[in-house]
Amino acid sequence: NSKVIQTPRYLVKGQGQKAKMRCIPEKGHPVVFWYQQNKNNEFKFLINFQNQEVLQQIDMTEKRFSAECPSNSPCSLEIQSSEAGDSALYLCASSLGQGYSDYTFGSGTRLLVI
Amino acid sequence: SQLAEENSWALSVHEGESVTVNCSYKTSITALQWYRQKSGKGPAQLILIRSNEREKRNGRLRATLDTSSQSSSLSITATRCEDTAVYFCATDDGNNAPRFGAGTKLSVKP
Repeated sequence: NSKVIQTPRYLVKGQGQKAKMRCIPEKGHPVVFWYQQNKNNEFKFLINFQNQEVLQQIDMTEKRFSAECPSNSPCSLEIQSSEAGDSALYLCASSLGQGYSDYTFGSGTRLLVI
Repeated sequence: SQLAEENSWALSVHEGESVTVNCSYKTSITALQWYRQKSGKGPAQLILIRSNEREKRNGRLRATLDTSSQSSSLSITATRCEDTAVYFCATDDGNNAPRFGAGTKLSVKP
């Protein structure tokens, strides 16, 4: 069983709707990553945090995607206005820090936008 | 573009045979990881090999790293049906999130 907990496992949204998913990182891991994995198994990095601070994010994340990792609460990734192209598996991973290279992934949230 | 890539899209072997998945990358790295992802699951890290290491083992798995040719391999001996999965390499450069290859789909047949 994964030590990174992602909810929900599946999410179905209509175009234009908000889609929100959550991640509880492995205990003691201050760094959290979000990736999007498409149907061709390609990974796209979205954003990462160290504690509550954003370390890096891509341009796509800055527009329709928002994410946060509040203290004492699950991290979350939200798509403000879902598009068909957002249909993918969203993976959360955690680690002791960038450079430790020991990443633990959750099982993902599979988003379907219809 | 992918900064790490596996060299085969799909491989098929029979149980008991050995198989090797190869990976090449294009930048200087601090570490390379091999992952296995089974259907409906997230990736699970199999082996972490740092840039100053040449080989790492984990049970039936053996990873090699050649920083001069910027390539790595993952060998699985005595394959089992449960090894059926997609295998990814991912690279760390110490400054950015790990970059993943597109994966090699391995099928192990009875």
